[in-house]
Amino acid sequence: GAGVSQSPSNKVTEKGKDVELRCDPISGHTALYWYRQRLGQGLEFLIYFQGNSAPDKSGLPSDRFSAERTGESVSTLTIQRTQQEDSAVYLCASSLEAYAYNEQFFGPGTRLTVL
Amino acid sequence: DAKTTQPPSMDCAEGRAANLPCNHSTISGNEYVYWYRQIHSQGPQYIIHGLKNNETNEMASLIITEDRKSSTLILPHATLRDTAVYYCIVRPSKAAGNKLTFGGGTRVLVKP
Repeated sequence: GAGVSQSPSNKVTEKGKDVELRCDPISGHTALYWYRQRLGQGLEFLIYFQGNSAPDKSGLPSDRFSAERTGESVSTLTIQRTQQEDSAVYLCASSLEAYAYNEQFFGPGTRLTVL
Repeated sequence: DAKTTQPPSMDCAEGRAANLPCNHSTISGNEYVYWYRQIHSQGPQYIIHGLKNNETNEMASLIITEDRKSSTLILPHATLRDTAVYYCIVRPSKAAGNKLTFGGGTRVLVKP
């Protein structure tokens, strides 16, 4: 079966522009997670969804970052007025549900470069 | 959340066992230990997890000390494809929603 997919795989944008990053989780997975990984660093948690609700947005770096999920499926991470420090790989993961000890399956990531 | 401490890097000979240590001295009773790895330019991949008993699957074995303050991930017969960054993570209670906190990990280089 298909794994987690993300698009685009690479995105280059100019400082100040808005970007949208998309994640398609594994079918039937009710939990979805967004992480950010700066060059040479570990992953930073951004936000997770259980269904279409986001109980924990604590990792979003600023109000320029937002995310939504619809139909308990696809999720979009939006970064407004991008800054150079937003350059990173943005990783999405999904799991069967958020409140059980199950594994997260990760997508390949979207590499964002802000010039 | 309990923090973890791992050596930043280690080398391993192909075909030999790789033993990756992790210290999690502040772990609490209901927190699980998870291991993931990240091969260059890919998303992380789940390896194994455990609470207090030793665990084994097709990829690795996880040995957790009796006091749960440390654990060791064992790759029984390392191959070149096992070269990756290995992350030891203490997963908080279920109520926290399976949020994973990744530290620096151990960069493992398997050499021929």
